[in-house]
Amino acid sequence: DAKTTQPTSMDCAEGRAANLPCNHSTISGNEYVYWYRQIHSQGPQYIIHGLKNNETNEMASLIITEDRKSSTLILPHATLRDTAVYYCIVSGRGTSGSRLTFGEGTQLTVNP
Amino acid sequence: GAVVSQHPSRVICKSGTSVKIECRSLDFQATTMFWYRQFPKQSLMLMATSNEGSKATYEQGVEKDKFLINHASLTLSTLTVTSAHPEDSSFYICSASRDRVSGELFFGEGSRLTVL
Repeated sequence: DAKTTQPTSMDCAEGRAANLPCNHSTISGNEYVYWYRQIHSQGPQYIIHGLKNNETNEMASLIITEDRKSSTLILPHATLRDTAVYYCIVSGRGTSGSRLTFGEGTQLTVNP
Repeated sequence: GAVVSQHPSRVICKSGTSVKIECRSLDFQATTMFWYRQFPKQSLMLMATSNEGSKATYEQGVEKDKFLINHASLTLSTLTVTSAHPEDSSFYICSASRDRVSGELFFGEGSRLTVL
């Protein structure tokens, strides 16, 4: 699986958009970009994933560059409950679900 | 609501004893489940892939005789930490995929093991 690079930490004001970057310059053509987050002492929560097109759901938007070497997760209106560690993961998709390898992630702190 | 459930959420045991952690998919069948371990202030580390009806696949460096995995049904995988020692104290998390098309993984709530 391709390696990802994320900033260690970021801060965001409540109500503002949080933009979390991720570099994955060694991504291969059949690998997807997944985003998960983990609130302290809980299991990770799926946010969104994509292959090459931008994606949006009720939680977030995922913007993938045309060369697919980087992506940005956007939380449009961050709340205090969005404070968590956000993981960007690149993985090929197996037939029984994805075997995901987690990196260090970005600690996002949303401030009042 | 939760689609993957773990039990127990917290367990304390004495050194040398064995502890079993259950992972259940609540409303879907999971032929494959994944077990992770997480130490304080660290990321999740994939330990093994649990396969229904066959042997688990362990990641490099994970002792299969230490961490016994059984996936006897399509909705249940168990992780048994045998002869637990204080260094096995950790947060153990399982996951499963409900949708083969999306590949999205659902994670359990985690089980915190403390070995005295």
